[in-house]
Amino acid sequence: QQPVQSPQAVILREGEDAVINCSSSKALYSVHWYRQKHGEAPVFLMILLKGGEQKGHEKISASFNEKKQQSSLYLTASQLSYSGTYFCGARTGANNLFFGTGTRLTVIP
Amino acid sequence: DAGVIQSPRHEVTEMGQEVTLRCKPISGHNSLFWYRQTMMRGLELLIYFNNNVPIDDSGMPEDRFSAKMPNASFSTLKIQPSEPRDSAVYFCASSGQMNTEAFFGQGTRLTVV
Repeated sequence: QQPVQSPQAVILREGEDAVINCSSSKALYSVHWYRQKHGEAPVFLMILLKGGEQKGHEKISASFNEKKQQSSLYLTASQLSYSGTYFCGARTGANNLFFGTGTRLTVIP
Repeated sequence: DAGVIQSPRHEVTEMGQEVTLRCKPISGHNSLFWYRQTMMRGLELLIYFNNNVPIDDSGMPEDRFSAKMPNASFSTLKIQPSEPRDSAVYFCASSGQMNTEAFFGQGTRLTVV
């Protein structure tokens, strides 16, 4: 039941934009996005609850297409601090939370 | 609140030994998750509890793995006997009501030699 993320890795220069995609084979109650720095625990970014919902967190935003069982994370004008591994979390039932294999984002000067 | 607390932070053990990982969730949270993280598989959901009851343990890789949650403030993940392929970072996370964020502990880095 792990969601599938793409791309697996991306390298950006500061100021460039990126999109990370997440898709599920099962219907989604909600989608969670997390970022993990090397050697640290994943940190919550945002949660999307409704089909078609979009949310923003500074220059990081996300959308959730309930019908397509997909979500996308948008990073605009990337900063060095955005580097890390981004995980999409999928709730396919009331109490579960499955994560994908992650997308490693590297922002270079 | 101190957040989700896991112990130990690092564990090195010999193949065949029993390993017990511990987790204290955030007070008031009723869902608890155990994950295993590796480069190849990312964050794998091993088992999750709701109100101290195991809901789904289909992610537990083998019978060598077991998990308990005797009360709302404590959970354990046990591996017996341990094998080198069990080497990974194990995370515990907890969350409150449905569709709220999950908070992760700092993880336990397990090395089986």
